[in-house]
Order: sequence, then C-alpha cells, then structure tokens
Amino acid sequence: DTAVSQTPKYLVTQMGNDKSIKCEQNLGHDTMYWYKQDSKKFLKIMFSYNNKELIINETVPNRFSPKSPDKAHLNLHINSLELGDSAVYFCASSRPGVLGNEQFFGPGTRLTVL
Amino acid sequence: AQTVTQSQPEMSVQEAETVTLSCTYDTSENNYYLFWYKQPPSRQMILVIRQEAYKQQNATENRFSVNFQKAAKSFSLKISDSQLGDTAMYFCAFGRDGGTSYGKLTFGQGTILTVHP
Repeated sequence: DTAVSQTPKYLVTQMGNDKSIKCEQNLGHDTMYWYKQDSKKFLKIMFSYNNKELIINETVPNRFSPKSPDKAHLNLHINSLELGDSAVYFCASSRPGVLGNEQFFGPGTRLTVL
Repeated sequence: AQTVTQSQPEMSVQEAETVTLSCTYDTSENNYYLFWYKQPPSRQMILVIRQEAYKQQNATENRFSVNFQKAAKSFSLKISDSQLGDTAMYFCAFGRDGGTSYGKLTFGQGTILTVHP
C-alpha cells in the first residue's frame, strides 16, 4: 500500500496555464506539507496544513494555492505558470510532535513549464 | 531560524569501503531531531536514520551510523561496507521537537554519493 501518493508524477505544460497536483496519505497523519526541489536539488518547505488548517506559508507567490479538503488530502493549485516554477514538488505527511515530525514523502511530481 | 549545512557537494567511495558525510547545523533549540534522508535516482525520499538530540547515544541502523556532537552542532553519517545501491543524494535535515512549528524540516544542500564497483 502506498503511504503518500501524488498525481501526476510528471506534468509538462505551457507558460500561463493553470495546473493542479494532488496528494493523498493513508497514514492517518494530521499534518501535510508541500516541498519544492529546485534544479540544484535544494528542498524547501512551501506550505504546511494541520487538520485542514494552513499552518506554514513560506513566502510563496499567491499563484500557488494549497487546498486541503480533509486531513488525508492536500492539493496544490498553481495559476499562471512561469518558467521558474519548473521543479519537483514533493508532498509529505507527519504526526506533529512525534519523533521530530519525521516526514513521509510522496514520489514527487516533476513539473516542466515550457 | 535553523540552518543546515552540508559542505561536501559530492563524495565517492569504492564498494565495500566506508564513507562519512558531514553535516552541521545552527539552532537555539535544546530539543530537536536530526535526520538523514536518501534520494536515489528514482527521486523517492527515503529516511535513513534519525537522532534525538536528548539522546547521547549515536543512532545506528545496520550499515548506517551517525556521529552526533551536540555541542559542536555536528551530525555526520557513516556508511560502512558501501554498496552500489547506496549511490544517491543524501540530505541532512533538522526538525523541532514538538511545539507549534507543525513539523517543517529544514534541509541541507545535499551530498551526492557515488559508490564505484
């Protein structure tokens, strides 16, 4: 059984388009995250949700809007895609306050903006 | 704010030998966790090992062990009997222990490890 799943795994789109990435976890965790891994492989937190409530928003452009319909899902919608949005986006989940918030990661979504 | 630094962009090792990856961090927290994650070419992030800051004993997981020096804020990863499957990017990460941070991890820049046959 996949613990944290993301769809799609690959996404190629044109500049200016709007796209969404979906994430689901079946670990029963309360907290979910979106991380961005840039071309230099640097991983940086974008958002964190706890029980459907936005907790962390790390200076991400307004074009990025996370949505959490329930605590098992955290989707990422991106408006007006730009070339600089090309990256790998990872969803993760954890149980807050447990083992240092060890994160369980999804397989990543490679977004390419042309 | 916490920072995590991995000063070795790339490392290589021969199969069956031992290699050590370095990590230093900066924090004013007293209770925290440190992690090493592995990212093979498949790009899946895999937890290798975890260390609780309040534990003096260094964590060990099979061929993987850490040297945790709290005063020096150093957290190195030792891989013994290196295998070809250990080839990956390795990330050091810092996580707060509880509180209201809701768990973001701060990652280092990563070290690419190549194991040669």
